Formats: sequence, C-alpha cells, structure tokens
Amino acid sequence: DTGVSQDPRHKITKRGQNVTFRCDPISEHNRLYWYRQTLGQGPEFLTYFQNEAQLEKSRLLSDRFSAERPKGSFSTLEIQRTEQGDSAMYLCASSRGEETQYFGPGTRLLVL
Amino acid sequence: AQSVTQLGSHVSVSEGALVLLRCNYSSSVPPYLFWYVQYPNQGLQLLLKYTSAATLVKGINGFEAEFKKSETSFHLTKPSAHMSDAAEYFCAVSNSRGGSEKLVFGKGTKLTVNP
Repeated sequence: DTGVSQDPRHKITKRGQNVTFRCDPISEHNRLYWYRQTLGQGPEFLTYFQNEAQLEKSRLLSDRFSAERPKGSFSTLEIQRTEQGDSAMYLCASSRGEETQYFGPGTRLLVL
Repeated sequence: AQSVTQLGSHVSVSEGALVLLRCNYSSSVPPYLFWYVQYPNQGLQLLLKYTSAATLVKGINGFEAEFKKSETSFHLTKPSAHMSDAAEYFCAVSNSRGGSEKLVFGKGTKLTVNP
C-alpha cells in the first residue's frame, strides 16, 4: 500500500488569503481524519469522514474552515481569510473501519 | 471527556539506558490507548496500542507499554535506548478499538538520546 499523501507539504500565505490542502488516503480506507498540530502541542482533532459523510466536527473548526470528501476518496481542507493563529501543521489520517489510523506527512502552514 | 497527560515534555537518556515515558489517562468509558512516534518533519507512526486484550503490549522497535487501570497509566518503556529512538512521542486515547473515531493526544514528550 502507498501511504497517506498530503499536498502541498508546505504553504506560506499572507493573512486574509484562502488556502486549500489535499489529502489522499490509503486506498480502500473508508475513514479519513483531519488534525491540527501547533508547535509544542499534540495533534488536535478537527473532523472526520466515513466515506463521503462528515460525521464529526470539532469546535476548533470555525466557520472559516471547511472540509469535504465528495466522492469518498480524497479530501480537501479549506481555510478562508487565514489568520496568523492558523499557522500549524495540518495532519491527515485514514483508517479502514475500526482499524488503526495511519497518518500522512502533514502540510505545514505559515501565515504571515 | 477523555484526556491524556504526559509527564515530562523532555526526557534525556544515554544510549543503552532504560527509556521510560509516562502517560496517564482520564476516561469515563473503558479506554483504548495508543503510543505514536513522530520524527522531525514527518507524520505520526503507531508504536503500539492497548485494546483490552492484554495489559502488557509489545510494539515495534522494542517498545512496550503496560496498562494499569488502578493507576490510570499507560507508560511506554524500552530496555535499551538507541540513537535512532530520538523523536517525539505522543500518547493518545480513543473510545473505539482501533482509534477509528477521534484520537485525543497528549502534548508529547521529546526524547533525546545521548551517545
């Protein structure tokens, strides 16, 4: 199996701009998760999908954040009107049913 | 709500010495517990998981952890540290067996291995 892939790996943007990240899960994994990791902290759950259905969203996911998984395969995470506080590593993970979550390498976002 | 507390944000050991990374959990339901490792600029890799089958869990790279309900602990150990073990380690809890619902992570412990 190829692992979870994320694109881009790094993103630098100016405050107020919109950014979009992509995650490709391991093939046949029906669950996909997004986490955010700030410096010196553990990953924090943002949201997860089972197939194309978004089953849970954290309160951390403000109105500026939106995630989609339109065909139950890859997912996108969009942040609108970015703020400096959005600077973090955005991690994607996938799993098959109730099995282990496998993580991608992450997308590091820097908002100037 | 579930949570984990990792005691010690930084641990330093000599090569060949015992590694002990501490994790205490809080959960109102029987927990499923995980240890992940993160190398610089990489994602997280699962080391081991506790799913109520056995209290002593063996993982990859010689690591193991023991679930102690009375102490609400799930400490990670390795008898002899290797330079390649230098990384950040995260304890996590979930209310589902494989962690297939959300994982709740601790803040992490950065392990340094000195030659």
